[in-house]
Amino acid sequence: NAGVTQTPKFQVLKTGQSMTLQCAQDMNHNSMYWYRQDPGMGLRLIYYSASEGTTDKGEVPNGYNVSRLNKREFSLRLESAAPSQTSVYFCASSPQTGGTGELFFGEGSRLTVL
Amino acid sequence: DQQVKQNSPSLSVQEGRISILNCDYTNSMFDYFLWYKKYPAEGPTFLISISSIKDKNEDGRFTVFLNKSAKHLSLHIVPSQPGDSAVYFCAASLKAAGNKLTFGGGTRVLVKP
Repeated sequence: NAGVTQTPKFQVLKTGQSMTLQCAQDMNHNSMYWYRQDPGMGLRLIYYSASEGTTDKGEVPNGYNVSRLNKREFSLRLESAAPSQTSVYFCASSPQTGGTGELFFGEGSRLTVL
Repeated sequence: DQQVKQNSPSLSVQEGRISILNCDYTNSMFDYFLWYKKYPAEGPTFLISISSIKDKNEDGRFTVFLNKSAKHLSLHIVPSQPGDSAVYFCAASLKAAGNKLTFGGGTRVLVKP
């Protein structure tokens, strides 16, 4: 069982370039999330999707867009990358929006914007 | 303004001794508190949680204590093992906000053999 799979694992972009981070989960979870991790700041929520067909902004949505393609897949797009978006990005999923809030994370995608 | 804070960025402890990780929060409405463990180049993995209506939860070597009046929780690891060396994140969830997790900045734990 793969759990949550993210691609690519590493990416280097130049300022102004665009790219999409892909995420897929095989646990039949309803909710999916994109977080970014920066030193000393923990994980901050960018966007989330409570269920297929819905998306909502999190704490730091500026400069990003998302698509919940189907129940399995949730992609994160950077339309015009900036150095401030250099970070490690984590996709996560959870069975439902209720419960304890426990999330299952992918291994992360390390993005560097020059 | 960070709603969940881990004020100690790092902790070093001898194998076999107790590790105590601390976390403070500002929102008294949080329903659940969770601890995650993260190894380098891996995603965070769930470790233990506690409901806001409880003051203690234990799972093997890991115990989480919640002090609601002080808006403080702590994670105790007894005894500490070298494999416990990792970054630990405290997180809190709010049902009214769809149970999205708010994370602290993390504490890096090093267990010395």
